[in-house]
Amino acid sequence: QVQLVQSGSEIKEPGASVKVSCKASGYVFAGYYIHWVRQAPGQGLEWVGRINPNTGATNYAQKSQGRVTMTWDTSISTAYMELSRLRSDDTAVYYCARVYAGLDFWGQGTLVAVSS
Amino acid sequence: DIQLTQSPSSLSASVGDRVTITCQATQDISNSLNWYQQKPGKAPKFLIYAASNLETGVPSRFSGSGSGTDFTFTISSLQPEDFATYYCQQYDKLPYTFGQGTKLQIK
Repeated sequence: QVQLVQSGSEIKEPGASVKVSCKASGYVFAGYYIHWVRQAPGQGLEWVGRINPNTGATNYAQKSQGRVTMTWDTSISTAYMELSRLRSDDTAVYYCARVYAGLDFWGQGTLVAVSS
Repeated sequence: DIQLTQSPSSLSASVGDRVTITCQATQDISNSLNWYQQKPGKAPKFLIYAASNLETGVPSRFSGSGSGTDFTFTISSLQPEDFATYYCQQYDKLPYTFGQGTKLQIK
């Protein structure tokens, strides 16, 4: 069965970087885009960006452009999202999700807390 | 960016009720709209794609309709497990965007 398993929670200071992983199983990893979506505490869903694990092509939301980098490692079916120069408003649960007709399978979420 | 406005933002209803949520886009997105359900502390669950198509395994009491800028999501007969927050999401143009969510609560 399709599964996306994310890395654990992170606490970071402002200005630091964080790298979240998303390990896929149960399907051909290179065949589907991986998207990243975040949710600040008590807030709605915000699209962060996407990566094509076949070509490596990426698209990022303007808000995070310049600070976010999405990468992948096909050999271990894992996608990564790195966010640099962290700010307090980056505090959120970050989800990876596979796209087929829609965002059909999601990871369990990774809490990234930014605090001094 | 395409903005999606959901209405209402919150809704109180009883088991067995029929509920409808609307989602309005700031420009024509054809039928490029999905719907998700999210329960507290959980990842969203994919319900409907391309405005009106039920994802496999989703109960038939859920339905969607619309095209262009105006969309509707309906639960025909609320069940206890349906109390959650619902989001629409467009994929016509990058960046993907979500509505602000509709919180469905027990009356």
